[in-house]
Amino acid sequence: EVQLVESGGGLVQPGESLRLSCAVSGFTFSNYWMTWVRQAPGKGLECVAIINQDGSAKYYVDSVKGRFTISRDNGENSLYLLMNSLRAEDTAAYFCVSTTRDLPHDYWGQGTLVSVSS
Amino acid sequence: DVVMTQSPLSLPVSLGQPASISCRSSQSLVSSDGNTYLNWFHQRPGQSPRRLLYKVSNRDSGVPDRFSGSGSGTDFTLKISRVEAEDVGVYYCMQGTQWQWTFGQGTKVEVK
Repeated sequence: EVQLVESGGGLVQPGESLRLSCAVSGFTFSNYWMTWVRQAPGKGLECVAIINQDGSAKYYVDSVKGRFTISRDNGENSLYLLMNSLRAEDTAAYFCVSTTRDLPHDYWGQGTLVSVSS
Repeated sequence: DVVMTQSPLSLPVSLGQPASISCRSSQSLVSSDGNTYLNWFHQRPGQSPRRLLYKVSNRDSGVPDRFSGSGSGTDFTLKISRVEAEDVGVYYCMQGTQWQWTFGQGTKVEVK
């Protein structure tokens, strides 16, 4: 059974940091690109960051460039998102996603909530 | 960035009737490799999204064949041949041709 389990969300003040983690099981983690997708309360979906199989390629949405860092540990089957200088507009559910563009492989975690408020 | 525009944003349907959602991109989604990376997702209330279709018309594992996708270039359509109760929720198109991957605003499907 495929499982993606996020953790690390919570309530923080503007300017603070959080590190999200995603533990993956049920498929060969090191074979796939991984991405973080977020959804603000009552809003749509936004792909925040993506990383290739060995971590050598990383891409970010413009609004988080320089503040967020995506990384992975293939030995631990884990994906991470380090979020610095958090802003109120970063408040959202963050989903860990394993996906491919051209194969029937697309799995989502249950999401972890990040709330940024003073 | 590629802007994805869906219509309608709200779609009341009767059970057993067909439904159709349109998605338009601000640029062609044909990739340099010749593929068109247009996906469709479904999100039920309180749940994570689930991908239904990839590369315009390819169904993901376990997706019923009442879901179909079509289109090319900048215009795409998701069709549900006969809506069932479990199909309610929000549907999103998403382009994966160009980073930043971008989603449409979502179309809320509800039963009349």
